Amino acid sequence: GQQVQQSPSSLVLQEGENAELQCNFSSTATQLQWFYQSPGGSLVSLLSNPSGTKHTGRLTSTTVTKERRSSLHISSSQTTDSGTYLCAIDPQDNYAQGLTFGLGTRVSVFP
Amino acid sequence: NSKVIQTPRYLVKGQGQKAKMRCIPEKGHPVVFWYQQNKNNEFKFLINFQNQEVLQQIDMTEKRFSAECPSNSPCSLEIQSSEAGDSALYLCASSLGVAEQFFGPGTRLTVL
Repeated sequence: GQQVQQSPSSLVLQEGENAELQCNFSSTATQLQWFYQSPGGSLVSLLSNPSGTKHTGRLTSTTVTKERRSSLHISSSQTTDSGTYLCAIDPQDNYAQGLTFGLGTRVSVFP
Repeated sequence: NSKVIQTPRYLVKGQGQKAKMRCIPEKGHPVVFWYQQNKNNEFKFLINFQNQEVLQQIDMTEKRFSAECPSNSPCSLEIQSSEAGDSALYLCASSLGVAEQFFGPGTRLTVL
């Protein structure tokens, strides 16, 4: 089955609202990354957060490794936040087979 | 934030044709990965290199793809005989190893 599950699959926000995206994974991982993918396809690394809480700008990620879950909180959403947010883990913990990605959460922010 | 360069951005090929794409990893990153993202948003790891050596590759890559990462030249991924099912976004990433991966903008391949 899918090793990385993301929810919700899509989310519609009004500008200024907050959002919480979830990522659950079925294997242990010491590497976990959140990515933003623009409608054009470019993949931008937002946060590398295998455990604990990390912040960057309006984004906060909290990963509870023992419970195999991570969340990405977007505060005060903007229309430019629209796109797909992807969670990925390294299930082998040694980069031998690359990252395993979830299917993403598609976020749409309207003015 | 990423300095990974991929060319071309778009590639259109007929079935049976060769399709070649290139990637220049971030300076100082010894590990390079290639992934395929299909229209259903599913990512598939294809192959990775450490310096010029192949670390891992999946069966499909072994049979129909050729890839290399020569020193002082871009890395490349080539599909020997394109099939309709190869239409996808091909993403290259680089990293220091067991560390954050940084991705290029991708090459979108359409096989007619």
